[in-house]
Amino acid sequence: DAKTTQPPSMDCAEGRAANLPCNHSTISGNEYVYWYRQIHSQGPQYIIHGLKNNETNEMASLIITEDRKSSTLILPHATLRDTAVYYCIVRRLGGTYKYIFGTGTRLKVLA
Amino acid sequence: GAVVSQHPSRVICKSGTSVKIECRSLDFQATTMFWYRQFPKQSLMLMATSNEGSKATYEQGVEKDKFLINHASLTLSTLTVTSAHPEDSSFYICSARDPQGGALPGPSYNEQFFGPGTRLTVL
Repeated sequence: DAKTTQPPSMDCAEGRAANLPCNHSTISGNEYVYWYRQIHSQGPQYIIHGLKNNETNEMASLIITEDRKSSTLILPHATLRDTAVYYCIVRRLGGTYKYIFGTGTRLKVLA
Repeated sequence: GAVVSQHPSRVICKSGTSVKIECRSLDFQATTMFWYRQFPKQSLMLMATSNEGSKATYEQGVEKDKFLINHASLTLSTLTVTSAHPEDSSFYICSARDPQGGALPGPSYNEQFFGPGTRLTVL
């Protein structure tokens, strides 16, 4: 599975949009982009995933570039409870189904 | 989404003892479960893949005789840390795959769910 690169940390003001980038330049055509987050001392929580189209759900939006080499997770109105480590993972459906976590981005939402 | 539980949530043991951690899928049958370890301020590291009714597949560098994994049913996998030492102190997290989840791809549906984690402290 392709590796991902994320900035180690970001700050965002409460109420503003948080835009978290992820680089996955070696992604293959059959690999999806998944986003999870981990709030301190808890298990990871699924946020969203996509293949090539932009996706939106009740938690976030996922923007994938046309060449699929990078993506951005958008939290439209960040709250203090969104403070967490956000992981971008690239994985193809099927196969071993295992996730390989990178270092993630530590997002701090400021009051 | 589906729920995965872990028990215990926190355990403290003496060096040299063995500790068993349970991972349960509460409302779905998980053909595959995964075990991760996470040290403070670090990312999750995959330890092994557990398939129901067969031997676990361990990642490179993980000692299979030290970290015993049993996946005896479709809703339960156990991780036993044998002869634990202080360096085994860590946050252990399991995840379970819902095979029905892959049938409904989309932005909101996911196929793999994580437990809340177990904090192991070896004195």
